[in-house]
Amino acid sequence: EDQVTQSPEALRLQEGESSSLNCSYTVSGLRGLFWYRQDPGKGPEFLFTLYSAGEEKEKERLKATLTKKESFLHITAPKPEDSATYLCAVQANSGYALNFGKGTSLLVTP
Amino acid sequence: NAGVTQTPKFRVLKTGQSMTLLCAQDMNHEYMYWYRQDPGMGLRLIHYSVGEGTTAKGEVPDGYNVSRLKKQNFLLGLESAAPSQTSVYFCASSYSRVETQYFGPGTRLLVL
Repeated sequence: EDQVTQSPEALRLQEGESSSLNCSYTVSGLRGLFWYRQDPGKGPEFLFTLYSAGEEKEKERLKATLTKKESFLHITAPKPEDSATYLCAVQANSGYALNFGKGTSLLVTP
Repeated sequence: NAGVTQTPKFRVLKTGQSMTLLCAQDMNHEYMYWYRQDPGMGLRLIHYSVGEGTTAKGEVPDGYNVSRLKKQNFLLGLESAAPSQTSVYFCASSYSRVETQYFGPGTRLLVL
């Protein structure tokens, strides 16, 4: 059974304090690993898709990396507007659904 | 381009009542999905559609029905609402199975 575990559950950072969020996964044939951002009361907003181990993608202060067992979302010099819940999801080669983790709630304080 | 829209935004039902949630997308996507999000759990797939006139069950389909009469719309129905269906419901769409799923803003449903 596909499984996605995100850690930590919650993370509090000072503005400018870089850190990483972890997404560990097991899936029978990975088609893609997805990162989304979700603000309170809103729908998930797409950030990145990673397809194979070794792949990296960047967007502003965010950088996502992928290995065969986990993905990291690195946040460099975060700002308060980066505060949100970050969701990781995997899609199997044979499936339609995105299997989501429970998310990491990030709070960046000034 | 509105993307994916959902109506209503919020609804309160009594146990046993019925309702329909509407999802609309203007991106000409073939695939549409309904997920639910509950505290302490990841989003879970309820039903999905791979094209106009098609529907299929996801991970948690019991108590829900869906219809895709038009390519741009995907309806989620609750025939007899139960408190366990209190949740936030998200619709998503994608161009194909292997393309990114884009989500709507959600419908918050409270069943008393």
